[in-house]
Amino acid sequence: DTGVSQNPRHKITKRGQNVTFRCDPISEHNRLYWYRQTLGQGPEFLTYFQNEAQLEKSRLLSDRFSAERPKGSFSTLEIQRTEQGDSAMYLCASSLDGGHTDTQYFGPGTRLTVL
Amino acid sequence: AQSVSQHNHHVILSEAASLELGCNYSYGGTVNLFWYVQYPGQHLQLLLKYFSGDPLVKGIKGFEAEFIKSKFSFNLRKPSVQWSDTAEYFCAVNEYNNNDMRFGAGTRLTVKP
Repeated sequence: DTGVSQNPRHKITKRGQNVTFRCDPISEHNRLYWYRQTLGQGPEFLTYFQNEAQLEKSRLLSDRFSAERPKGSFSTLEIQRTEQGDSAMYLCASSLDGGHTDTQYFGPGTRLTVL
Repeated sequence: AQSVSQHNHHVILSEAASLELGCNYSYGGTVNLFWYVQYPGQHLQLLLKYFSGDPLVKGIKGFEAEFIKSKFSFNLRKPSVQWSDTAEYFCAVNEYNNNDMRFGAGTRLTVKP
């Protein structure tokens, strides 16, 4: 399978714990995006990388959230001191820089449940 | 604030019925427009996209969408739905050269056999 992959697919944690998710984009895609999706809503943009540079962050990304893409390939999203409100599906997408014709392809997501 | 609206939360149709799902956005400038579909238990998949040119865009599985700039709309259509079209459909918009893509809340389509 050469699509976007995410691990783990499900994560259950207790409030206050730290969690880390991983995203592997489609190979040769230089752009990588993180979104959050809650029940009954569409995905909400969190942050975006072009290669290893984090170029944009949403105001939704509080200081408890951090994302990295150290070598411009896979990315990790860490949430520190999780809260129940962090429970959501975390989606990763990747694209090949097409200028204004960028098309994002999504992974299966990591479902986080904070107890 | 910039937003994307999908007016129908849940649509129920019988097989062979025609489908139209509404999508309106509030961006004032040049936009790129997308429809994504999420089948039960699967991840978001691209159905079709519009960047420029012919405002009537054809996608996979017989879907099409029409961009009407004056109405800020990008409605999704299919002349005859199948049971396998049961899924959640998301409209998404981003401004030209802006990677912050905004999604609508989604429309759940149920097709009865």
